[in-house]
Amino acid sequence: AQKITQTQPGMFVQEKEAVTLDCTYDTSDQSYGLFWYKQPSSGEMIFLIYQGSYDEQNATEGRYSLNFQKARKSANLVISASQLGDSAMYFCAMIDTGANSKLTFGKGITLSVRP
Amino acid sequence: DTAVSQTPKYLVTQMGNDKSIKCEQNLGHDTMYWYKQDSKKFLKIMFSYNNKELIINETVPNRFSPKSPDKAHLNLHINSLELGDSAVYFCASGTDMSNTEAFFGQGTRLTVV
Repeated sequence: AQKITQTQPGMFVQEKEAVTLDCTYDTSDQSYGLFWYKQPSSGEMIFLIYQGSYDEQNATEGRYSLNFQKARKSANLVISASQLGDSAMYFCAMIDTGANSKLTFGKGITLSVRP
Repeated sequence: DTAVSQTPKYLVTQMGNDKSIKCEQNLGHDTMYWYKQDSKKFLKIMFSYNNKELIINETVPNRFSPKSPDKAHLNLHINSLELGDSAVYFCASGTDMSNTEAFFGQGTRLTVV
């Protein structure tokens, strides 16, 4: 069974600084994908970034990058130059490849950006 | 151009009623999902469909019945609503097999009174 662990309590970061949100995972699958989503107070789930288990390079999308360490089974999200609008809940999720796949989510991390 | 759209965004109803939530995706994805987010923000899968066929049913009460008229639509019908059904329900769609994409609808906040 797949498991995603997000154990950080609420995180705080000063505007314009970088922040790392931790995510570890457990799976017996060789092929899988890792996602990060942002959920602001308005409630929608916004896709941020994706990393495939066979991707050799860490994924990047604008200010978001994923620090993928396969041997450690970690997929931390790094947000550079934090903005006030980054204040939200962040979810790490994983999916195995195949037709019977599903996204398994961590419990989320709340990030607050201070002006 | 909303990729995954679900309606309504808010739904308040009395116990015992039957209600439906609609979901449509214009991404050409083969797989669609329903997720439930509880009061503690935990997201749990309820159903997944692949090309209109039910693939995953995660021990959801049979009062919940998904219906997929075509691969672009996955609606959720709930019979005899209970207080414990109050939650946010998210529809999502994803690519088949490679599963490199997964986008969510805006969510439907269901409140049963």
